[in-house]
Amino acid sequence: AQSVSQHNHHVILSEAASLELGCNYSYGGTVNLFWYVQYPGQHLQLLLKYFSGDPLVKGIKGFEAEFIKSKFSFNLRKPSVQWSDTAEYFCAVNARNAGNMLTFGGGTRLMVKP
Amino acid sequence: DTGVSQDPRHKITKRGQNVTFRCDPISEHNRLYWYRQTLGQGPEFLTYFQNEAQLEKSRLLSDRFSAERPKGSFSTLEIQRTEQGDSAMYLCASSSGAIESGGSNQPQHFGDGTRLSIL
Repeated sequence: AQSVSQHNHHVILSEAASLELGCNYSYGGTVNLFWYVQYPGQHLQLLLKYFSGDPLVKGIKGFEAEFIKSKFSFNLRKPSVQWSDTAEYFCAVNARNAGNMLTFGGGTRLMVKP
Repeated sequence: DTGVSQDPRHKITKRGQNVTFRCDPISEHNRLYWYRQTLGQGPEFLTYFQNEAQLEKSRLLSDRFSAERPKGSFSTLEIQRTEQGDSAMYLCASSSGAIESGGSNQPQHFGDGTRLSIL
C-alpha cells in the first residue's frame, strides 16, 4: 500500500518569502501525483498534478512542483508567497494499476503574515 | 461546472443514531469517491463507484457503513449505530474516466463535505 508524508505540519512565512513544502511517498510502482489546497472555509481544490513527462509541473497561482523519482518526492514551491496563500496544502498520490483511490499526506498548514 | 454538492453541510446526532449523507457529483463524471477527514489529518479513502458499481472499499469502511449509487448519479453514505469515533468531515469527490482497470489520471473534484458530530 502507498503512503504519503508531509514533514512540515505548520509553516509561517512573511509575504514575499519563498516557499517549499516537502512531500515524500512510498510506493514501488508508477504513480500520479497531486497537490491540493484548502483555503479557509472552502473545499479542496487542485493546485497541480503530475502524470508523466516533464517532472517540473506548473500549477495555478504561481505554484510549481518537481517530481524526483529517485527520491520519491514531489515538493511544492512558490518563489514569493502572498497573504492570500494562507491555506492548508495536501500532497496526494494515486498508484497506477492499484485502484483509483487517492492517498493523502497529513497536510501542511501555511500562514503568511502580511 | 457546478461543482460537487453535498448535503447536509453539518449533522449533529446522538450516539447510536443512523445518519445518511448525500453527494451529487459533477454531472458528466462517472466516478464518485467518498473520503473521511478527521482534524489535523488528510482525507482517507472510504469507497469508490464507477457509474452504479461500487468497485473499491477501504478496510476503514466497517459493516456499519454502507454506500450506494443506485442510478449512477447521486450517491448516499449511511452510517448505522453511530459511535463517537465517527465524528469527522465526510468528503465526496468525482472525476471522469473511461471504464478500465488501473489508476485514473483524471483529477478528483471535491465537495464542501458534511461535518458529522456525535454527541
